[in-house]
Amino acid sequence: GAVVSQHPSRVICKSGTSVKIECRSLDFQATTMFWYRQFPKQSLMLMATSNEGSKATYEQGVEKDKFLINHASLTLSTLTVTSAHPEDSSFYICSASQGAPDLGNQPQHFGDGTRLSIL
Amino acid sequence: AQSVSQHNHHVILSEAASLELGCNYSYGGTVNLFWYVQYPGQHLQLLLKYFSGDPLVKGIKGFEAEFIKSKFSFNLRKPSVQWSDTAEYFCAVDMNTGFQKLVFGTGTRLLVSP
Repeated sequence: GAVVSQHPSRVICKSGTSVKIECRSLDFQATTMFWYRQFPKQSLMLMATSNEGSKATYEQGVEKDKFLINHASLTLSTLTVTSAHPEDSSFYICSASQGAPDLGNQPQHFGDGTRLSIL
Repeated sequence: AQSVSQHNHHVILSEAASLELGCNYSYGGTVNLFWYVQYPGQHLQLLLKYFSGDPLVKGIKGFEAEFIKSKFSFNLRKPSVQWSDTAEYFCAVDMNTGFQKLVFGTGTRLLVSP
């Protein structure tokens, strides 16, 4: 149980295009979804936290107009990298949790990640 | 800013050797602590977690970790590693927000030779 599907696994595109990454919880309802970015040989850095039906909360230094997050349903969140440039090339990972303040701590379940390469 | 340090970036062991991976964090308040494992080509999976209670927690596949509050540490241990334990291990800390806003360490790559 607790499977999170992330798509696509890899994308290569030209500079200036927008790229959408999907994160789906397949067998549970994800109240909260998280988006991380991982640079080579570095740790996962939290970019934003999204709760179903509300605006995402972005971490300091993450441009919300650059990285658009939509969490329209309890099983789907999307991250759109708008007008992508080579410096946006990275490994993006989503996770999903049933957690909410009144539900106590619930574990995060991770997707397989998306390797984004901008030429 | 809160941070998580994993001191060993690469560890190479022979099968049956004992393992201890260090994890220290910098935050003075209440924390929840996690160890995740990422096997080659797979997603992150939860090994074990500590929220409260007994500071020695046992996880899957024979792993355990001990929370030492005075040392701000949560080291991962396994008495006898197997070749299948070859993976990358991440320590993560939640500053008890309820939403599990995790701060990750940089990871430790473990290679177990048969």
